[in-house]
Amino acid sequence: DTGVSQDPRHKITKRGQNVTFRCDPISEHNRLYWYRQTLGQGPEFLTYFQNEAQLEKSRLLSDRFSAERPKGSFSTLEIQRTEQGDSAMYLCASSRGSSNQPQHFGDGTRLSIL
Amino acid sequence: AQSVTQPDIHITVSEGASLELRCNYSYGATPYLFWYVQSPGQGLQLLLKYFSGDTLVQGIKGFEAEFKRSQSSFNLRKPSVHWSDAAEYFCAVGPSGGSYIPTFGRGTSLIVHP
Repeated sequence: DTGVSQDPRHKITKRGQNVTFRCDPISEHNRLYWYRQTLGQGPEFLTYFQNEAQLEKSRLLSDRFSAERPKGSFSTLEIQRTEQGDSAMYLCASSRGSSNQPQHFGDGTRLSIL
Repeated sequence: AQSVTQPDIHITVSEGASLELRCNYSYGATPYLFWYVQSPGQGLQLLLKYFSGDTLVQGIKGFEAEFKRSQSSFNLRKPSVHWSDAAEYFCAVGPSGGSYIPTFGRGTSLIVHP
């Protein structure tokens, strides 16, 4: 169990630029979640994959946000035309394939928009 | 819709004192309940979980939690707090009942005085 890995740990970019974050889940986990966390708040669910299928994406914050998990392994979260309000910590988590299984979190990517 | 309330934003205790962090949930059936801890700049780590059975669950680092259906609560306790317990604590309701969306509380920040 090497843990959930997220890259990069920090991203600073100018408003209007596109950014992409990567998440490598624990290898035997088929569920993968993306969350956004702002200061003083708990993780806010964004989207969820079961293997390569994106089963829930209604909570993505706008159409500027998209996520992929092309081969059911790693996942990417892309934000297009970034805005000041996108500044946050973006967390990835993975779990085994039952709803009662706990999620294992990565250390997150902190996004700062200048 | 499911929801989680952590009524205390901050809790301050002295090292060696006992601790109780409150969590109330709203859900139509027996929920899957979790407590996570987050240190600054890191992801969330699972402390303990409840699915069914014994309503008092033991977790890592000496923590325990008790599920009380009548009060819709899942409070976290520790008999003697250590300075290293200072962190942010999150209660969560797991995905179930056909929903893929887990819900987190806003968190309680634990401050430990020497």
